Amino acid sequence: GDSVTQMEGPVTLSEEAFLTINCTYTATGYPSLFWYVQYPGEGLQLLLKATKADDKGSNKGFEATYRKETTSFHLEKGSVQVSDSAVYFCALLYNQGGKLIFGQGTELSVKP
Amino acid sequence: SAVISQKPSRDICQRGTSLTIQCQVDSQVTMMFWYRQQPGQSLTLIATANQGSEATYESGFVIDKFPISRPNLTFSTLTVSNMSPEDSSIYLCSVFTVSSYNEQFFGPGTRLTVL
Repeated sequence: GDSVTQMEGPVTLSEEAFLTINCTYTATGYPSLFWYVQYPGEGLQLLLKATKADDKGSNKGFEATYRKETTSFHLEKGSVQVSDSAVYFCALLYNQGGKLIFGQGTELSVKP
Repeated sequence: SAVISQKPSRDICQRGTSLTIQCQVDSQVTMMFWYRQQPGQSLTLIATANQGSEATYESGFVIDKFPISRPNLTFSTLTVSNMSPEDSSIYLCSVFTVSSYNEQFFGPGTRLTVL
């Protein structure tokens, strides 16, 4: 069945370091791909999305490119801040039914 | 976008009791969902809340344990019945709105602890 796999956490970085969180997916057809972020004690927020192959989603300095050939949607940021400390979820969506399938989440901790 | 509120935001309950969680949206939505996030885990879809008819449950979730109502386009409730400590989780409501294309919005969640 369809699934999303993220790199294991927690990930600990120093401020201004480069961030990559790997995400790969298994799916039949052509899903849309998303990154959601969950800050401590808060709900889920959409960070960025891509709806077709080669699309790049970007927001708040974060980027991810929909790579169909490698079935990946890796999240990157050139310079992280302490305020980026959160749990990041990769997810895929089929238009039919509206069901989001989430990866297991990656906790990011950024130290000053 | 959509502003989603959930009540209660958190609760501590005794085993064997039931809790009803409310979800209210400030705009017209096309689809509403309920997810569960167990401690340290990812999100799992419980069911799709259908207006005026029975919810559509995912594998592993049943109506007797998680009855859901959706009397109109902007409101839904999820009841966690006959609770046990294993039901301790965050329960989240999410929606697609009329104006959003494949972007799903999430409520702040209800943090439930069962003793």
